[in-house]
Amino acid sequence: EPEVTQTPSHQVTQMGQEVILRCVPISNHLYFYWYRQILGQKVEFLVSFYNNEISEKSEIFDDQFSVERPDGSNFTLKIRSTKLEDSAMYFCASSAGIHNEQFFGPGTRLTVL
Amino acid sequence: QKEVEQDPGPLSVPEGAIVSLNCTYSNSAFQYFMWYRQYSRKGPELLMYTYSSGNKEDGRFTAQVDKSSKYISLFIRDSQPSDSATYLCAMSAGSGYALNFGKGTSLLVTP
Repeated sequence: EPEVTQTPSHQVTQMGQEVILRCVPISNHLYFYWYRQILGQKVEFLVSFYNNEISEKSEIFDDQFSVERPDGSNFTLKIRSTKLEDSAMYFCASSAGIHNEQFFGPGTRLTVL
Repeated sequence: QKEVEQDPGPLSVPEGAIVSLNCTYSNSAFQYFMWYRQYSRKGPELLMYTYSSGNKEDGRFTAQVDKSSKYISLFIRDSQPSDSATYLCAMSAGSGYALNFGKGTSLLVTP
């Protein structure tokens, strides 16, 4: 069964460093998303991406964040200068079309020291 | 007022019981409603996806949406220990739009 994959599973970084989280959405899916979940809190939307551009973003997704689809399979989230409060699980999701469900990957645990 | 409210539990039931999980919401624009299951430190796994009001059944799971009351429910029949997880409700104003999640209800099914 097709699934969303994410790498790495766990990333530890120093405050102020740049990190790139990687996702491979389900093949043939067209809509891509990033969410995050701070420990003990709810899953929060960051950004959605379609047709090589951002279609929607939340207040969390400020200038420190960027997304890219560098090739036909990968979808990345970059955090330019990490802060302690960026520590969270980051989930990538994809959907086949505008009327379809979002399927989530296993997540990347980001720890900022 | 939070957009999506969900009792965090924990909810503990014996094996075989019927489980009822609920969410309320405030945004009348929500039209798409989902239930996800999340095991500890894993990604959310989609269980049910419904549009607008009504019921949907899939095996042991039944999802209900009452838009007039801004209330959604997930029923699990014949609950199993393997159903022990956190259940997240999620909803959106349009398909393909951002999902708004509840905080999740922790469920424990004891043998």
